[in-house]
Amino acid sequence: AQTVTQSQPEMSVQEAETVTLSCTYDTSESDYYLFWYKQPPSRQMILVIRQEAYKQQNATENRFSVNFQKAAKSFSLKISDSQLGDAAMYFCAYRSNFGNEKLTFGTGTRLTIIP
Amino acid sequence: DAGVIQSPRHEVTEMGQEVTLRCKPISGHNSLFWYRQTMMRGLELLIYFNNNVPIDDSGMPEDRFSAKMPNASFSTLKIQPSEPRDSAVYFCASSLHSSGDTDTQYFGPGTRLTVL
Repeated sequence: AQTVTQSQPEMSVQEAETVTLSCTYDTSESDYYLFWYKQPPSRQMILVIRQEAYKQQNATENRFSVNFQKAAKSFSLKISDSQLGDAAMYFCAYRSNFGNEKLTFGTGTRLTIIP
Repeated sequence: DAGVIQSPRHEVTEMGQEVTLRCKPISGHNSLFWYRQTMMRGLELLIYFNNNVPIDDSGMPEDRFSAKMPNASFSTLKIQPSEPRDSAVYFCASSLHSSGDTDTQYFGPGTRLTVL
């Protein structure tokens, strides 16, 4: 079974600075997808960014980018120019590309933005 | 376009009562997921459907939980009888599953269930 580990329960960053959230995963599969979801206090789960394992290029979405290291099974999220609205829980998630569509989530990292 | 719709948003009930949570997926999506979020266990899949057929129900805790998807635009998750340990946030998500696509799951706002 796949597992996802987020080793940083809490992180904080000064507004306008850059922060990196870590995620590692364990799988024996070669083809899969990885996601970062954001959960603000409203508890809505919002997709931040996704990465296909077969793509070498790291995904980017505006201020959000990932560092995908397939061999190391690492998938970190970098947030540039942090804004107050980025304060939330961030969850890393794994989805197999072999039949089962379920998402396996990490335990989350709570990000605080310091004004 | 409307996102995933869940009702109710909050539910408070007494132990032993029946609870029914409802979900309307995004129009055109063919996969629907029920997740549960608790402090102890985090986010975990309970069950998911593809084309209204249950595919993986291995996360359903026990016989007290049941889920149905009678058509492509509606699903229910029922707990009978409810227990205090069922208190959690229940999320419904939907996606368009097709070969080779990313199949991003879009989540509803969740139902916060409290069982007294």
